[in-house]
Amino acid sequence: EAGVAQSPRYKIIEKRQSVAFWCNPISGHATLYWYQQILGQGPKLLIQFQNNGVVDDSQLPKDRFSAERLKGVDSTLKIQPAKLEDSAVYLCASSQGGAESDTQYFGPGTRLTVL
Amino acid sequence: KQEVTQIPAALSVPEGENLVLNCSFTDSAIYNLQWFRQDPGKGLTSLLLIQSSQREQTSGRLNASLDKSSGRSTLYIAASQPGDSATYLCAVKWTSGSARQLTFGSGTQLTVLP
Repeated sequence: EAGVAQSPRYKIIEKRQSVAFWCNPISGHATLYWYQQILGQGPKLLIQFQNNGVVDDSQLPKDRFSAERLKGVDSTLKIQPAKLEDSAVYLCASSQGGAESDTQYFGPGTRLTVL
Repeated sequence: KQEVTQIPAALSVPEGENLVLNCSFTDSAIYNLQWFRQDPGKGLTSLLLIQSSQREQTSGRLNASLDKSSGRSTLYIAASQPGDSATYLCAVKWTSGSARQLTFGSGTQLTVLP
C-alpha cells in the first residue's frame, strides 16, 4: 500500500513570495490533515478535511494560508504572501474515516525556508 | 489551556540500556494518547495508541503506560539499539476543547550510542 505522498520535498523562497504544497493521501482515506512543524516543536494542526469539506481550520492563518481538497482526494496548501516565521516543515496526514480512534498516517513533509 | 509537555528535550544512552521517555498533559479528560516516532527528513510513524480506558499498551520492546489522574504517560524502551535513535513525540486527543485535534508535545530526541 502506497503511503502519503507530498511534493515538493524542499522549497526555498523569499518573504512576500507565494508557495504551494501538494499532498496525495492513502487511497480510500476520507480524512486529510495539514500540520505545521516548526523546528524544535511538535506538529500543529492547520486544517482537517473530511472528504472535500473542512472539519477544523481554527488554527489556519486565513489572511495568508489557504487549502483546498477538490474531489475529496488530493489537497493543496498555499501561502501568500510568505513571512519569515512560516519557515517550517509542512506535514500532510490521512486517516480512514475521521473517527476518534483512527490512526493518522503521515507523509515525509515539505521543508519550507523563507529568506 | 490544554498542553502536552515532554522532558527532557534530548537524551543519550549507551546501547542495551532500558530507558523511559516522559510525557505530561494538563487536562485529564483525554480520549486517547499516542506515541509517535520521527526520523530526520521523514514523517511521523505511530508506535502505540492508548485509549482512555486503558492503562498500558505493548508492542515488541516498547511499552506505553497512561495515568490520567496524574496527567502522565511513559514510553519504556527495553534493550535500546542504535536504530532506536529518533525523536519520540507524544500526542493527546481530548474529549472537549480541541476534541478533534491531536495536540503534540515538542518531543524527546533520543540517541542510542553503539
